[in-house]
Amino acid sequence: QVQLVQSGAEVKKPGASVKVSCKASGYTFTGYYMHWVRQAPGQGLEWMGRINPNSGGTNYAQKFQGRVTMTRDTSISTAYMELSRLRSDDTAVYYCARGTTELGYWYFDLWGRGTLVTVSS
Amino acid sequence: EIVLTQSPGTLSLSPGERATLSCRASQSVSSSYLAWYQQKPGQAPRLLIYGASSRATGIPDRFSGSGSGTDFTLTISRLEPEDFAVYYCQQYGSSPQITFGGGTKVEIK
Repeated sequence: QVQLVQSGAEVKKPGASVKVSCKASGYTFTGYYMHWVRQAPGQGLEWMGRINPNSGGTNYAQKFQGRVTMTRDTSISTAYMELSRLRSDDTAVYYCARGTTELGYWYFDLWGRGTLVTVSS
Repeated sequence: EIVLTQSPGTLSLSPGERATLSCRASQSVSSSYLAWYQQKPGQAPRLLIYGASSRATGIPDRFSGSGSGTDFTLTISRLEPEDFAVYYCQQYGSSPQITFGGGTKVEIK
């Protein structure tokens, strides 16, 4: 079954770090970029960055540069997103999403269910 | 960064009616890199349309996308009860720079 399974909800204090995992199954993990998107409560979707699981190369949205680190472990088909120096406005659901490029098109065709990260003192 | 502006913010319609959602870009977007997603409460987004007008696998033909350049439209020809949700447009730009519109909520009138 083609799916992305994310780790469970987290509660962190301001200033701490959080690491969310996303395990891929049912397809070739190294064949597709993995992206991270977050959604604050009642708000829209915000792209954070992506990782090439094959090379480990990353691209981050400017807003998160210096605070986010995306990594992967190909042996277990899992991508990770670590966000540091957490603030209360980082409270959000964090999604991983597979980026597909096919026939010149580009889109996110597979999403994880999301991981709620709550930042509170 | 390309900004996507969706309108209206909320669309109040009855089942069976036609819904027309707009997505306007601050600069020209390649149609190949414009997608639409549907999101229901408590769920992850779901791909509806890619390449501005191609339906994703399993998406009913009452959903259609059109447009080019800076103006794109998602149309739902006849609303079914399960179509009441929030819809987002998304674009992929160079670097990459990926942005989403602010969303349009389609609610039951």
